[in-house]
Amino acid sequence: DTGVSQDPRHKITKRGQNVTFRCDPISEHNRLYWYRQTLGQGPEFLTYFQNEAQLEKSRLLSDRFSAERPKGSFSTLEIQRTEQGDSAMYLCASSGQGRGGTDTQYFGPGTRLTVL
Amino acid sequence: GENVEQHPSTLSVQEGDSAVIKCTYSDSASNYFPWYKQELGKRPQLIIDIRSNVGEKKDQRIAVTLNKTAKHFSLHITETQPEDSAVYFCAALYNFNKFYFGSGTKLNVKP
Repeated sequence: DTGVSQDPRHKITKRGQNVTFRCDPISEHNRLYWYRQTLGQGPEFLTYFQNEAQLEKSRLLSDRFSAERPKGSFSTLEIQRTEQGDSAMYLCASSGQGRGGTDTQYFGPGTRLTVL
Repeated sequence: GENVEQHPSTLSVQEGDSAVIKCTYSDSASNYFPWYKQELGKRPQLIIDIRSNVGEKKDQRIAVTLNKTAKHFSLHITETQPEDSAVYFCAALYNFNKFYFGSGTKLNVKP
């Protein structure tokens, strides 16, 4: 399957713990996005990479959140000292040359985080 | 920044009827407007999109219209089927690299 993949699909953690999620974009895509989605809401933009450069970062992304894309391929999103309010679905999307055209985003299945 | 508003939040139609979902955006710099369908527990799936240099685009039972002057765009689904039941999100691409999403419309197609 050449779609966007995310790992893990589900994560349950205790408040105060650190968690890390991984996203593997479509291989020819150079743009990668992270979103957070809570129940009944649309995806909220968190951050955006073009290749390995992090070009945009939402105000929602507090200093407990950090994202990397070290080689311009897969990306990780880390949340430190998790809080119950961090419970949400974390979605990754990619776009770029190839399938769909430059702007068309394809989403991964998401990682559902539950903070107890 | 951009602000995308979506209406209605819920929509119930009889099978075979048409459904229309509307979105407005605030920044005239936005130039690409996709629509996503999200079924419960699944990822958003792109169903149709439109760029700012086009007024209308159609793909079988689905169409999208864009009014740049009024800054609004709409999704039209004709001959609705029960499998069209899902949450639909509109989005606007701002500054070439940031997507803003509407809050979603839950469509229920009654058989």
